[in-house]
Amino acid sequence: EADIYQTPRYLVIGTGKKITLECSQTMGHDKMYWYQQDPGMELHLIHYSYGVNSTEKGDLSSESTVSRIRTEHFPLTLESARPSHTSQYLCASSDLAGATTQYFGPGTRLLVL
Amino acid sequence: AQSVTQLDSQVPVFEEAPVELRCNYSSSVSVYLFWYVQYPNQGLQLLLKYLSGSTLVKGINGFEAEFNKSQTSFHLRKPSVHISDTAEYFCAASSSGAGSYQLTFGKGTKLSVIP
Repeated sequence: EADIYQTPRYLVIGTGKKITLECSQTMGHDKMYWYQQDPGMELHLIHYSYGVNSTEKGDLSSESTVSRIRTEHFPLTLESARPSHTSQYLCASSDLAGATTQYFGPGTRLLVL
Repeated sequence: AQSVTQLDSQVPVFEEAPVELRCNYSSSVSVYLFWYVQYPNQGLQLLLKYLSGSTLVKGINGFEAEFNKSQTSFHLRKPSVHISDTAEYFCAASSSGAGSYQLTFGKGTKLSVIP
């Protein structure tokens, strides 16, 4: 079954630690996205990718970085976590055609102490 | 840049009653509109979308929405809600151009269905 996966689902970590949030999709989609979601707020796009070796920054400035070495994999890394990074992170994917549906993973809830 | 406004942050409604969740977008030559639903501790799931054609769009779980260009609105409706409809609903818009069909989301509306 085609799907999009995120791990871990929940993460509590101390300030200064390096973390990587994993996102994988089995739909063969070229485009992938990372959104940040805070309670009561809209989703903000922080990174996206059109395909392998393509990454772009989104509308919301973020200290995180991403990589796209394989089509199905789009990990997000924080080199040094801070309490301000506490949020929910949602990964999504879509095909390249125009105004197409984005499919979302279940999200990672991150708490930085 | 595209903007999306969801006029109600919370909507309580009794079970089996009708509901309307309101969404307005900023005007654009070509706009594509979406409604997503997010159940607790889950990602977003597409309910329905408007790309072109008929202004009344039917989606999953008995929801429908009407695209109104003159009022720049895309309100979501359901004639009779169930307890299982309790969730957060997000309206989103995209347009062609520099943003390359990136989605802009509203802040969400929490629908609470009261038994």
